[in-house]
Amino acid sequence: EAQVTQNPRYLITVTGKKLTVTCSQNMNHEYMSWYRQDPGLGLRQIYYSMNVEVTDKGDVPEGYKVSRKEKRNFPLILESPSPNQTSLYFCASSFFGRAGANVLTFGAGSRLTVL
Amino acid sequence: GIQVEQSPPDLILQEGANSTLRCNFSDSVNNLQWFHQNPWGQLINLFYIPSGTKQNGRLSATTVATERYSLLYISSSQTTDSGVYFCVVGDSNYQLIWGAGTKLIIKP
Repeated sequence: EAQVTQNPRYLITVTGKKLTVTCSQNMNHEYMSWYRQDPGLGLRQIYYSMNVEVTDKGDVPEGYKVSRKEKRNFPLILESPSPNQTSLYFCASSFFGRAGANVLTFGAGSRLTVL
Repeated sequence: GIQVEQSPPDLILQEGANSTLRCNFSDSVNNLQWFHQNPWGQLINLFYIPSGTKQNGRLSATTVATERYSLLYISSSQTTDSGVYFCVVGDSNYQLIWGAGTKLIIKP
C-alpha cells in the first residue's frame, strides 16, 4: 500500500532531550516536506526536500534539522526541544514536476508534547 | 508572496445540503490542491487542480486560474464530510502556500 509512515505517533518528552521523528515513503517520491499544525495557525512548513541531498527551509525552520540521505526517508530532528515546539507534526511527499510538488500524500501525524 | 484566502471560515449545514467553498489567491499559481482534514486529524488530498474542472463522486472542483480562484462543491453532504477543507497553491519558486481553511460541520 502506498503510504507515508511517521513515527512516533505520540511522544511526550522534556526540554532539551534530543529527539527524531522519522518519515518514510514507499512511492519513490522526489519531494518530501515537514509541517507543524497549531490551533488557529493552520499548517506551516518547517523544511522541504526536492530530492536526495537537497533540502530547504520553509516558514518556521528554527529549532529543527532535517536530512535527506535516501529518497524514501526524511527525518525531522529536534536537537534541543523546547515547549514552544509542542505541536502536531505532519510529513508529506509527492512527485516533483515542472509545476513543483504534485499530489501530496500525508502521514498520519505525530503529536509531540515538550514539558 | 502569494496570499490565499478561503471562505467562508466556518459553515454549518444539515445532512443532505449542498455547499460551495471558495479559495482566492493573489497571484498566478502553477499548482492548486484541495485537502480535507477529518476530525481525527487525517489529511486527505481531494483534488490536484491548477486549472479546469474535476469531479469525484459527490465532490467537484473548478479552478479559474485567470481569475485567481477555485471552488470546491460538496453535494448531498454527509456527516463524514465534516472537518476542515484546505486550499494549497504553489508559486513560481515551488513554495506551497496554505489557506487558513474552511471548517465544515454537517449535522445529522
